[in-house]
Amino acid sequence: NAGVTQTPKFQVLKTGQSMTLQCAQDMNHNSMYWYRQDPGMGLRLIYYSASEGTTDKGEVPNGYNVSRLNKREFSLRLESAAPSQTSVYFCASRSKGLTGELFFGEGSRLTVL
Amino acid sequence: AQSVAQPEDQVNVAEGNPLTVKCTYSVSGNPYLFWYVQYPNRGLQFLLKYITGDNLVKGSYGFEAEFNKSQTSFHLKKPSALVSDSALYFCAVRDPPGSTLGRLYFGRGTQLTVWP
Repeated sequence: NAGVTQTPKFQVLKTGQSMTLQCAQDMNHNSMYWYRQDPGMGLRLIYYSASEGTTDKGEVPNGYNVSRLNKREFSLRLESAAPSQTSVYFCASRSKGLTGELFFGEGSRLTVL
Repeated sequence: AQSVAQPEDQVNVAEGNPLTVKCTYSVSGNPYLFWYVQYPNRGLQFLLKYITGDNLVKGSYGFEAEFNKSQTSFHLKKPSALVSDSALYFCAVRDPPGSTLGRLYFGRGTQLTVWP
């Protein structure tokens, strides 16, 4: 059982370049999330999708866009990367039920030069 | 707004000793509280959660957490620490009851080091 799979695991970009982080889950979960992790800041929610076909902004959405392609996949796009977006990005999906916990991918480490 | 605070950036404890990682919360309504652990270069793993009921919650790897409503705390504990428990620990709180969004709001994390 793969759980939540993220690609790529590592990426280096130059300022102004664009890229898409891919996320897929095989647990038939409705809700999916993108977080970023920065030292001393914990995890901050970028965007989330409560169900297929819906997306909404989290705490730090500026500079990002998302697509909920289908129930399995939720991608995060950086249109014009900035050094402030250097971070580790985590995708997660939520198990069913109102009190379900989140299942996380292994993370994608992005460096913007 | 839902939030949690982890007052300690680092906790150091000797193997075999009890450990406590602290978390306090601020919520509207009844809290749904979680603990996660992150090992180096890995994603977060769920340890335990408090939704309702017994104030002492048991979770994975021998961890437990005590919910204290009067002190608005949800401290993570283990009676006897192992070197392999060394990791980054996150406390989190969910959207208020009644919300179907299920977003989690995380603390800044506490680095636990267990020395032999």
